[in-house]
This record gives sequence, structure tokens and C-alpha cells, in this order.
Amino acid sequence: DIQMTQSPSSLSASVGDRVTITCRASQSISTYSNWYQQKPGTAPKLLIYAASSLQSGVPSRFSGSGSGTDFTLTISSLQPEDFATYYCLQSYSTPWTFGLGTKVEIK
Amino acid sequence: EVQLLESGGGLVQPGGSLRLSCAASGFTFSSYAMSWVRQAPGKGLEWVSLISGSGGSTYYADSVKGRFTISRDNSKNTLYLQMNSLRAEDTAVYYCARRLITMVRGVETYYFDYWGQGTLVTVSS
Repeated sequence: DIQMTQSPSSLSASVGDRVTITCRASQSISTYSNWYQQKPGTAPKLLIYAASSLQSGVPSRFSGSGSGTDFTLTISSLQPEDFATYYCLQSYSTPWTFGLGTKVEIK
Repeated sequence: EVQLLESGGGLVQPGGSLRLSCAASGFTFSSYAMSWVRQAPGKGLEWVSLISGSGGSTYYADSVKGRFTISRDNSKNTLYLQMNSLRAEDTAVYYCARRLITMVRGVETYYFDYWGQGTLVTVSS
């Protein structure tokens, strides 16, 4: 199975900060990396698919990059509604696997 | 508007069974593979199972293989998860999710684009 190592597990940031979250795959997954945002008590919401494609309706302050084994989710200017937990997902091979999540908290 | 609505969760004793349902609307259900993903309380997301649009192909996580069965009724636009021999570690919110296939930069790619709101399964005596 492909392991997705996500870091950091949590971070504290202020509104307006630039935030970067990374995921490293245990083997090459090309660009089969996706990013989700989850707020407490709600379902995950798709932000980025295919490593760098922005899902329709998602603010442009979110961006993704990477290929092979290393992937990054960047929030260019953190907004109050962005405080949530973020997960990466590899869809290269079954079983699809998620990172353990990054909780973004208010500093 | 795409909607996925799970039901069937509840409290069940260890060793018991439960069947979850996911009612889909707003899209041509039979054209999409569907998955179940679960989240234990306070934990991360775990993919559980996937079924092709026709229902002819199914895939399972090792943690549920042999105990859970995914199925679908395309005439009713409904996805199912039959869960047998339940264990305490199966306690989780279970989400159904639609798998989208699309071309990105000339490459076929896959991801979950829509999720239901989830249904809680608690396995406890």
C-alpha cells in the first residue's frame, strides 16, 4: 500500500499568513494527489485534484503543486474560514490512502 | 445538484451486522463508481471500499475484506454497505463518495468530488 506522510500534523497561524502543508508518498504517484478540507462535523470538501487543479468554486488563495512523491498545498493568505483540518489523498492505486491530516488553528 | 444521503447507522453489538445505504440524486448514478470512506472519532479518513458503475467490480481495504460487502442498485440510485462481524474498531462515521474520472493535462485522473454528510456506526456492548 502507498503511504502518504503528511506534515505538519498541526500548525498555528494568523489571518493573512501564508501556510504550506506537505505530503510525501512512499512511492511515485505521478500527479495522483488530491487535497481536502474538513471542518468539524462536516464531510470533506475537495480543494485540489491532480496535484494542482483547483476545484470549481474554491478560492484562488488555495493552490497545489508537486509530482512524483512530494506534494504541497499552499494557502496564500489565511482567512478565518480556512481554520480546519486538511487531508491529502493518493488516487494512484487501490487502496486509496489519505494522509493523517493537518489541523490549522488560530494563533 | 448532486446529493448523497447516507442512512442506516446506529448502535450495534460486537459481532453484529448493519447495512448502510446512500441515496444518490442529481446525476446519472450508474455512470460513476462509488466509494465508502470512514472516519473513527477524532481520527483521520480511511478508504473502505469501491464499486464500479455497473457493480461488476469491487475493491476493499484489508481491514474490512471478508466482512463488508459493497453493492449498488442502479434502478434505485442507491449504494449499500453490508457490514458483518462488526468490531469495536469499526466505530466511525461512514461517508459515501462519488469517484470522478476526468482528463487533466492529457492524463486520466481520479478523485472523490462529492461526499454525503455521513452516518455514525457505533460498535459497543
